[in-house]
Amino acid sequence: DQQVKQNSPSLSVQEGRISILNCDYTNSMFDYFLWYKKYPAEGPTFLISISSIKDKNEDGRFTVFLNKSAKHLSLHIVPSQPGDSAVYFCAASGAGNMLTFGGGTRLMVKP
Amino acid sequence: GAVVSQHPSRVICKSGTSVKIECRSLDFQATTMFWYRQFPKKSLMLMATSNEGSKATYEQGVEKDKFLINHASLTLSTLTVTSAHPEDSSFYICSATDTRGGVDTQYFGPGTRLTVL
Repeated sequence: DQQVKQNSPSLSVQEGRISILNCDYTNSMFDYFLWYKKYPAEGPTFLISISSIKDKNEDGRFTVFLNKSAKHLSLHIVPSQPGDSAVYFCAASGAGNMLTFGGGTRLMVKP
Repeated sequence: GAVVSQHPSRVICKSGTSVKIECRSLDFQATTMFWYRQFPKKSLMLMATSNEGSKATYEQGVEKDKFLINHASLTLSTLTVTSAHPEDSSFYICSATDTRGGVDTQYFGPGTRLTVL
């Protein structure tokens, strides 16, 4: 049973518009959430994170929102740029610090 | 979705011994697998790219003689931590690339927690 799910395998957005990537989790013990960005043939690079004591964290064009009651987090990218085209993974961490990854969402930003 | 497994999930070993970690793609063949080391709370460091039938490609700063990678079949890659030291204690995560359907999709294993005493 997947504890972290990204239900949209792909997302296409026009340049300049907002990209919203969603992630759901089932384990209420998760207390730290991260988003990674991955280009082909490279390892994931860390983007942004949020602790369960917060509901929003912003870093430049990237904002992560956490809704604990719904066990849902989302990554907003605004404005989207063609260079943002990549696969985005959400991950969750609980006691023991081990990361559990979602399946990824492929974002395509069209010029 | 596709499943990637790792074995063991946890291992404790004495300093100076070697530990082998397996990464398996359970329902697809993976010509490429990746090995990562996870640091507390944030960073995921790519250690090496494991290529079936050829030598692994190591990232800069990763000792290839210490972290031996073998990708002997299309469903199995192994990472052997040789002469383990306490500073090697970490989470090691693998991922495998599913190329079915013409789209590369990355699936992560559940990770292996290594503790070196």
